[in-house]
Amino acid sequence: AQSVTQLGSHVSVSEGALVLLRCNYSSSVPPYLFWYVQYPNQGLQLLLKYTTGATLVKGINGFEAEFKKSETSFHLTKPSAHMSDAAEYFCAVSGLNTGGFKTIFGAGTRLFVKA
Amino acid sequence: DGGITQSPKYLFRKEGQNVTLSCEQNLNHDAMYWYRQDPGQGLRLIYYSQIVNDFQKGDIAEGYSVSREKKESFPLTVTSAQKNPTAFYLCASTPGTTNNEQFFGPGTRLTVL
Repeated sequence: AQSVTQLGSHVSVSEGALVLLRCNYSSSVPPYLFWYVQYPNQGLQLLLKYTTGATLVKGINGFEAEFKKSETSFHLTKPSAHMSDAAEYFCAVSGLNTGGFKTIFGAGTRLFVKA
Repeated sequence: DGGITQSPKYLFRKEGQNVTLSCEQNLNHDAMYWYRQDPGQGLRLIYYSQIVNDFQKGDIAEGYSVSREKKESFPLTVTSAQKNPTAFYLCASTPGTTNNEQFFGPGTRLTVL
């Protein structure tokens, strides 16, 4: 079965600093990978996704993620944090092992941005 | 504008009562989902439906029920059998083909008094 692990339930960075949120997955077949963002008391919205092709994926709000099959990782980065990036971020995976229609979510990482 | 609506945004329930959470989408999506979100646990799948008049249990279906009589609607009933129903509930949809991104509604926060 597929699973998703997000390292660190809380990450704190200073405004302007690099943001790095870690995500590792387990899958016996190539997965489809997603990062979602959730602001307080709202639903999730898609930041970016990897399906096939280029392993470096660019998303909205200056975020990007790199699919590394050898490391089974899909870490999310942003070169310079902004106060508005403070939110909770979820890594997710779907694919044959999840039944295709189902998506498995990580536990989430809450990002704090200090002024 | 296309999207998913959930109502109400906040819901209070007394113990022993059933409540129904509404989820409507005008995206013409085939598949719809209900998730429960608790702090530090991510999203857990309650029920999902790939097509009208068909639905499957997710990982935590006990104490919940759903129906899918129309493509655009997927209401969730939280029954009195659900032992700890206080949580944030999210509805989502996808076009129906596999491995697509999920589109989420704004959520309903249910509190049992």
